[in-house]
Amino acid sequence: QKEVEQNSGPLSVPEGAIASLNCTYSDRVSQSFFWYRQYSGKSPELIMSIYSNGDKEDGRFTAQLNKASQYVSLLIRDSQPSDSATYLCAGGPRQAGTALIFGKGTTLSVSS
Amino acid sequence: DVKVTQSSRYLVKRTGEKVFLECVQDMDHENMFWYRQDPGLGLRLIYFSYDVKMKEKGDIPEGYSVSREKKERFSLILESASTNQTSMYLCASTPQGLLYGYTFGSGTRLTVV
Repeated sequence: QKEVEQNSGPLSVPEGAIASLNCTYSDRVSQSFFWYRQYSGKSPELIMSIYSNGDKEDGRFTAQLNKASQYVSLLIRDSQPSDSATYLCAGGPRQAGTALIFGKGTTLSVSS
Repeated sequence: DVKVTQSSRYLVKRTGEKVFLECVQDMDHENMFWYRQDPGLGLRLIYFSYDVKMKEKGDIPEGYSVSREKKERFSLILESASTNQTSMYLCASTPQGLLYGYTFGSGTRLTVV
């Protein structure tokens, strides 16, 4: 069974620090990977996508993908209290008729 | 921006009732999905559809059915609601393939009493 694994946390970091969130996946078919942020009581919001090995940066967020080791990570620089949320990792093959597989999420708490 | 609209934010139903959860997207996406989310269990796929009138079972289809008569609308049906179906239900859509990730609706918090 295909799985996406995340440490549930909570991960606690002080304001201004770098938060590092990690995710591993079990299958080699997955080609597209996504990070979602979910605030308590709200629906998930897409914040990063990555398809190729290496790093992808968008503002304070950097996604990293290593297909050989089957892991994906999200770095949040200069963490803010507003970054406190649950972060969901998801992956899937890039083909019709399939669905993403989601991890259970890592809860991040940024203290001011 | 793509908009995925779920008809109700909160819903309270009685055990045994037939429940309809509606989801509409406005960007001509081929794929639509229904998930439920429970504490500690994460997002679990109930059903998805990659075309009009097409449906595929997800990981937990028991007790649910779906309908997709039009491309923009994907309905989740609880044939006879039970208390263990109390949950947050999330609808999502995406274009063909999984290149762009999902856009989620705001969710429906269903309570079955």
